[in-house]
Amino acid sequence: NAGVMQNPRHLVRRRGQEARLRCSPMKGHSHVYWYRQLPEEGLKFMVYLQKENIIDESGMPKERFSAEFPKEGPSILRIQQVVRGDSAAYFCASSLRTGTSLSGEQFFGPGTRLTVL
Amino acid sequence: GEDVEQSLFLSVREGDSSVINCTYTDSSSTYLYWYKQEPGAGLQLLTYIFSNMDMKQDQRLTVLLNKKDKHLSLRIADTQTGDSAIYFCVHGGATNKLIFGTGTLLAVQP
Repeated sequence: NAGVMQNPRHLVRRRGQEARLRCSPMKGHSHVYWYRQLPEEGLKFMVYLQKENIIDESGMPKERFSAEFPKEGPSILRIQQVVRGDSAAYFCASSLRTGTSLSGEQFFGPGTRLTVL
Repeated sequence: GEDVEQSLFLSVREGDSSVINCTYTDSSSTYLYWYKQEPGAGLQLLTYIFSNMDMKQDQRLTVLLNKKDKHLSLRIADTQTGDSAIYFCVHGGATNKLIFGTGTLLAVQP
């Protein structure tokens, strides 16, 4: 059973371009989470999605950022008109269930390291 | 609000014990976790403790939870060079989102 997969692992964009980050959850997992790790910091929650639904986007910047998790295919985190401050590692996690049981344990992907020139 | 604080850096000699400390403000979590991040890699769940427990031991790892003081610690016995990594104290927030601490860089000297 493959773990959480993210691609690309490294992404370089110039200011003003768009960045698309992909996340394929573990097989059977329908809950996906995106986190951002700025240099020298811990991870910050961005958004929590289930299939076709955004459950909690309280950590998403109000502009330029969007996320989706379609019925088929990977979850996508999209950043429009990137700026230097968007440079970070973006981690995706998936879980089998949600709630307070350990079956809600989140398994993390290797991350996508975005560099904005 | 939700806040998790850790010391930034800890250096130990190989074979010694390491103790990484964490304080948090939100006491509503059912589980508290320790995640390990090696350089350039993703995160690995190391261990967890249920909020109604005081202590959990798992091989070389011991987790202590003081709910009154909102203090969590991770002890690694017989620390090895392979334990060098960043360790994150994490608790579950509302809607299942995880709240990460700032991370403690553990450096193990041979």
